[in-house]
Amino acid sequence: EAGVAQSPRYKIIEKRQSVAFWCNPISGHATLYWYQQILGQGPKLLIQFQNNGVVDDSQLPKDRFSAERLKGVDSTLKIQPAKLEDSAVYLCASSLDRRLPYEQYFGPGTRLTVT
Amino acid sequence: RKEVEQDPGPFNVPEGATVAFNCTYSNSASQSFFWYRQDCRKEPKLLMSVYSSGNEDGRFTAQLNRASQYISLLIRDSKLSDSATYLCVVTSNSGGYQKVTFGTGTKLQVIP
Repeated sequence: EAGVAQSPRYKIIEKRQSVAFWCNPISGHATLYWYQQILGQGPKLLIQFQNNGVVDDSQLPKDRFSAERLKGVDSTLKIQPAKLEDSAVYLCASSLDRRLPYEQYFGPGTRLTVT
Repeated sequence: RKEVEQDPGPFNVPEGATVAFNCTYSNSASQSFFWYRQDCRKEPKLLMSVYSSGNEDGRFTAQLNRASQYISLLIRDSKLSDSATYLCVVTSNSGGYQKVTFGTGTKLQVIP
């Protein structure tokens, strides 16, 4: 079974530039999550999708971050404009069903460095 | 108070030792509990779920104390390969979906 795919794996940008990350969840997984993990901290949920609808984006800095999952499968997360404090690993995860705490499967992450 | 709190460590223990981590949570209505393991520069992976009656998987034992609002993870006979960060995960029902909160993680280093 193919795992969660993410790209790119690494990205270096200057502050005020824009960046986009892509995620393809495990086939059949209805729930998709984007997390931000700053070095030395646990993953922080940015946004959670159930199919193509948003169920939780309470911690997403909406002035600069946006995410979509148009066809209920793959998803993109965008930052525009980036700030130095956005340097982190962005993890995508998927699970079978949002109503039950099924296991989350994580992708390898995108390591973002903002200079 | 943070929703989920863990001692960041690091816990440095010799091979063969027994080590225990605790994780406290603030929401008394929390429903599900997990331990995830994260190796350096890798993604988190599920280690085990935590059930009310406690559960064991080989050298790993997880327990839940709802009255005191904490979960624990016990590792017996530590191996070098157990070196990793252990993340506590708590979920709660929020508007019909499960809100997931990760702790900051506890770093374990098993020393030869």
